[in-house]
Amino acid sequence: GAVVSQHPSRVICKSGTSVKIECRSLDFQATTMFWYRQFPKQSLMLMATSNEGSKATYEQGVEKDKFLINHASLTLSTLTVTSAHPEDSSFYICSAREQGNYNEQFFGPGTRLTVL
Amino acid sequence: AQKVTQAQTEISVVEKEDVTLDCVYETRDTTYYLFWYKQPPSGELVFLIRRNSFDEQNEISGRYSWNFQKSTSSFNFTITASQVVDSAVYFCALKGSNFGNEKLTFGTGTRLTIIP
Repeated sequence: GAVVSQHPSRVICKSGTSVKIECRSLDFQATTMFWYRQFPKQSLMLMATSNEGSKATYEQGVEKDKFLINHASLTLSTLTVTSAHPEDSSFYICSAREQGNYNEQFFGPGTRLTVL
Repeated sequence: AQKVTQAQTEISVVEKEDVTLDCVYETRDTTYYLFWYKQPPSGELVFLIRRNSFDEQNEISGRYSWNFQKSTSSFNFTITASQVVDSAVYFCALKGSNFGNEKLTFGTGTRLTIIP
């Protein structure tokens, strides 16, 4: 149980285009989902926390208008990188917290974004 | 503010040797959770252990063992009889237990290479 999927696993796009990444909890309801970014050989940095049905809370330094997060259902959150540029190339990982379980996050397999 | 320090950036050991990965943390929370994750080259985070701050018992799981020392704010991870498959980046992480404080703070990771 407690499986989180991400789609796509890998995406290459041209500079200026927008890219949507999906994060799904497959066998549980996720009231809260988290989006992390990991640059090569660096740690995971939390970008934002999204709660189902409400606006996401962004970490300091993360542009809300550039990284659009939608958490419209208890099993799906999406991250859209708008007008992507090469510096947005990174590994994006989502995690999900099960309703009522505040102490554990289940991680997705990650999405590798390359912007040309 | 929470902080996790993994002072060892990279470690290389010969197969079958034991290796210890260090983790030191800082938090003002009276209760908190500590985690270790493994990140193989594929990128997916693999959950290894979660430890409640109230539980200072050391834990052993096969070749893995964890030493939680609250007095020194450390949560070290030892791999016994290392194998090539243990090669990965290992992250230590910390989370407060207070409702609303769900952020996972990651250390910078230790890249472990097991030499055959």
